[in-house]
Amino acid sequence: EVQLVESGGGLVKPGGSLRLSCAASGFTFSSYSMNWVRQAPGKGLEWVSSISSSSSYIYYADSVKGRFTISRDNAKNSLYLQMNSLRAEDTAVYYCARGLLSSGFGFDYWGQGTLVTVSS
Amino acid sequence: SYVLTQPPSVSVAPGQTARITCGGNNIGSKSVHWYQQKPGQAPVLVVYDDSDRPSGIPERFSGSNSGNTATLTISRVEAGDEADYYCQVWDSSSDYVFGTGTKVTVL
Repeated sequence: EVQLVESGGGLVKPGGSLRLSCAASGFTFSSYSMNWVRQAPGKGLEWVSSISSSSSYIYYADSVKGRFTISRDNAKNSLYLQMNSLRAEDTAVYYCARGLLSSGFGFDYWGQGTLVTVSS
Repeated sequence: SYVLTQPPSVSVAPGQTARITCGGNNIGSKSVHWYQQKPGQAPVLVVYDDSDRPSGIPERFSGSNSGNTATLTISRVEAGDEADYYCQVWDSSSDYVFGTGTKVTVL
C-alpha cells in the first residue's frame, strides 16, 4: 500500500524557516517524481514544487522561487521542503504527492498533509 | 499564465448524473486529471489522462476532453460523492495548473 506521511509543520513567525518532510513507503520511491502541493485555508490547490526521480530536474512555482528548496533522499525514501523567508500567504496545508508515471504530469497519491501557519 | 475555470458549484439529486466542466484555452490538446477532495481529507485522483480511472475508482466516474472544455461525469450519483472536485493540467509556461474547484452537492 502506498503511504506518504508528512511532518514538520507548525507555527512560525514571518521571515522564519521551516523544513517539511515526507516519508514514503509501499512503492519504489526512487522511480517516481515527487511534488509538494499546498492549500490555503478555505482555498483551492496550488502546486509548489517538483523534483524528478534522480533529482536531476527541479521546478518551483513563481510564488516560492528563491525561498523554498525541494530535495529528496532516495536511500531514506524521503522528500523534503526547506522553506525560508516565510510569509503570511504561505500559510496552508502542505501535501506531498507522487507523480504519475504516465506522460500527463499529474499526482496519483497524496499524503494527509501538514499545516504550516505563518503568523506573529 | 494558463487558467482553468470551473463552475463554483453543481447540485444533483441522488441517482442522477453530475457533469463538472473545466474550461481552458485549447485544453483538448492537454492531458487533464481530476481530483476529489472531501472535507478535511487529502485529494484523491479519480480520473487521469482525460478519461482513465485509477484502480479502485468506480466506473461511475468518467472523463472527456475536447476543444476548450474537459468534463468529469459522475453517473448514478451517491451521497458519498459530495465533495470538491478539481481539474489539473500541465502547461509548458505555467507548470502544474489546478482549476478553481467545484463543490458538488447531493440534494
